[in-house]
Amino acid sequence: QVQLVQSGPEVRKAGASVKVSCKTSGDTFTGYYMHWVRQAPGQGLEWMGWIHPNTGGTKYAQKFEGRVTLTRDTSISTGYMEVNRLTYDDTAVYYCTSPGYYDGSYKDYWGQGTLVTVSS
Amino acid sequence: EIVLTQSPGSLSLSPGERATLSCRASQSVDSNYLAWYQQRPGQAPRLLIYTASTRATGIPDRFSGSGSGTDFTLTISRLEPEDFAMYYCHQYAFSPRAFGQGTRLEIQ
Repeated sequence: QVQLVQSGPEVRKAGASVKVSCKTSGDTFTGYYMHWVRQAPGQGLEWMGWIHPNTGGTKYAQKFEGRVTLTRDTSISTGYMEVNRLTYDDTAVYYCTSPGYYDGSYKDYWGQGTLVTVSS
Repeated sequence: EIVLTQSPGSLSLSPGERATLSCRASQSVDSNYLAWYQQRPGQAPRLLIYTASTRATGIPDRFSGSGSGTDFTLTISRLEPEDFAMYYCHQYAFSPRAFGQGTRLEIQ
C-alpha cells in the first residue's frame, strides 16, 4: 500500500515563501509522477503541476509558472513544492498525489493535505 | 488548455434516489482519460471512476461513469447517506490537467 505523508501546517506573511514536503512510502517513488493540487477554503480543486521523480522533469499550470517550484530527493522518496511571493489568495490546503497503474489497475494516492495560511 | 464545466452546480436529492452529474469538456478528451472524484468535508478526494467508465478499486457498483469525447456523466443509481458530498471531474489526457468546478450533492 502506497502512502503519501505531507509536512505540517504552515503560517507565512504575505511576500514570503513556503516549502511543503510529501514523503512516499514503499519503493514506488521514482516510477510515478507526483502531482500537486490545491484547494482554497470553500473552493474547488486546482491542479498546479507535476514532477517526474526519476528524471526531475516538471510541468506547471500557467498561472504558477515562475512562482512555484517542484523538486524531489530520490534518496528519501520525498517531493517538495515551494511557492514564492505568497499572497492571501495562496491560503489553501495543498495536496500531493501519485496517480498511475499500480498492480494492473489505475489508482490515485493522495497525501493528507497541508494547510498553508498567508497572513498580514 | 482544456476547460471542464460541471452541471448542475448543486443537486438536492433524497437517499434511494438516482443522481446524474454531468461534465463537459471544451475539447475532446483523448482516450477518454476522464476521471471522477468524490470529496467529503475535511478529506482528500477519492478516485471513483477512471477512463470515463471504469470503477476504481473498492468503489461500489452503484457508481457508474459514461460518455466520450466532450460529454461525460457520473450516475449514482441509489443514493446512500454517505454519498452526499462534492464531486469533481478531472481530465488527465493533456498537460495542463484540469478539474471541473464541482457538483455539490446535498440531502433533500
